[in-house]
Parts: sequence; C-alpha cells; structure tokens
Amino acid sequence: QVQLVQSGAEVKKPGASVKVSCTASGYIFNNFGINWVRQAPGQGLEWMGWINPHNGNRNYAQKVQGRLTMTTDTSTSTAYMELSSLTSDDTAVYYCARGDPSDYWGQGTLVTVSS
Amino acid sequence: EIVLTQSPATLSLSPGERATLSCRASQSVSIYLAWFQQMPGQAPRLLISDASNRATGIPARFSGSGSGTDFTLTIRSLEPEDFAVYYCQQRSVWPYTFGQGTRLEL
Repeated sequence: QVQLVQSGAEVKKPGASVKVSCTASGYIFNNFGINWVRQAPGQGLEWMGWINPHNGNRNYAQKVQGRLTMTTDTSTSTAYMELSSLTSDDTAVYYCARGDPSDYWGQGTLVTVSS
Repeated sequence: EIVLTQSPATLSLSPGERATLSCRASQSVSIYLAWFQQMPGQAPRLLISDASNRATGIPARFSGSGSGTDFTLTIRSLEPEDFAVYYCQQRSVWPYTFGQGTRLEL
C-alpha cells in the first residue's frame, strides 16, 4: 500500500533552518510529483511547492521563495523540504503529499519556531 | 495567483440533510479543481479530483460539479463522520492554491 512517512517533530530557534523528510513506499517514486503543504495552528492549508523526483523540476510558492529548498533522493524514495531563516510565522504542521491532485499524504511534521 | 473563495465559512446542518459547499475561483481553472476533507488532527483526504471525479474509496454521497470559476461539492445525506473542514484546491496554474475552508458543523 502507498505510504508517506515523515520525520519527527522539530523545535527550532528563530533564524535557524529545518529539514523535513518524507519517505515513500508502495509505488514507483519517480512516477509522481511531491507537494509540500503546511498548516499553521488553527489555520487553513497553504501550498508551499512541488518537486518532480524524475527530473528535479520544482515550483515554489512566492511567499517562501528564497528560503525553501526541495530535493529528492531516488535511491531511498525520500523527498526533503528545507526551510531557512525561520520565524514564528513558520510554526506549522508540514505535510508531504503525492501527486496532482494529492491522493496520499504523510502524517505531518510539527515544526515549532520559538526562542 | 488564483484566489479561491469558499462559502459559506461555516455550515450548520444535521445528519441526513444535504450539504452544498461552494468554491469560486478568481479566474478560470478549467476542471482542475479538487476537494479535500480534513478531520481534526489528521491529514487532508482527497474526495474529488478534476471537479467531479470521486477518489478511490469515497462514498457515492459525495459529488462534485462545475468548471471554469464556479464549483460545488454536494454531500447528499450527511453521516456523522462527515462533519469536518472541507477545502478546495486548484492545480490549473502555478502556484497551486487552496480555498480558506468551509467548516461543516453539527
């Protein structure tokens, strides 16, 4: 069965970076893009970006452009989302999700930014 | 970017009733609109893709319609497990965007 398993919760200080992983199983990793979506506490869903594991093509939301880096490691079927220069506004649950539209989602990773 | 406006923000109904949720796009997204359901503390679940295609395993009481700028998610006869937050998302144009959500409450 298709599964996306994300890394555990993180607590970071303002100005730091965080890297969240998403390991896929149950399907051919290269055949589907990976979207990253975040959700601040009590708020709605915010699309952050997309990456094609087959060729590395990416598309980022303008709001996080310059601070966001998405990568994949096809040898381990893992996608990574790295966000730098963190502020308290980046406190959120971060989700990876397969495909367009996203039919399978990771369990979410809580990133807390606090001094 | 394309703005998706969902209405109403909150919908109060009872089990057995029909729910009609709306999503309006600031410009045409053709049929490239999806609907998601999110329960508290859980990841979103895909309900409808490409405006009207039910995702695998989604009950037939959920249906989607529309094209261009106006879309509707209908839940024919509400079950207790349907009370949740619903989001629409467009994938027609980068950046992909979500609506702000409709809370369906008991």
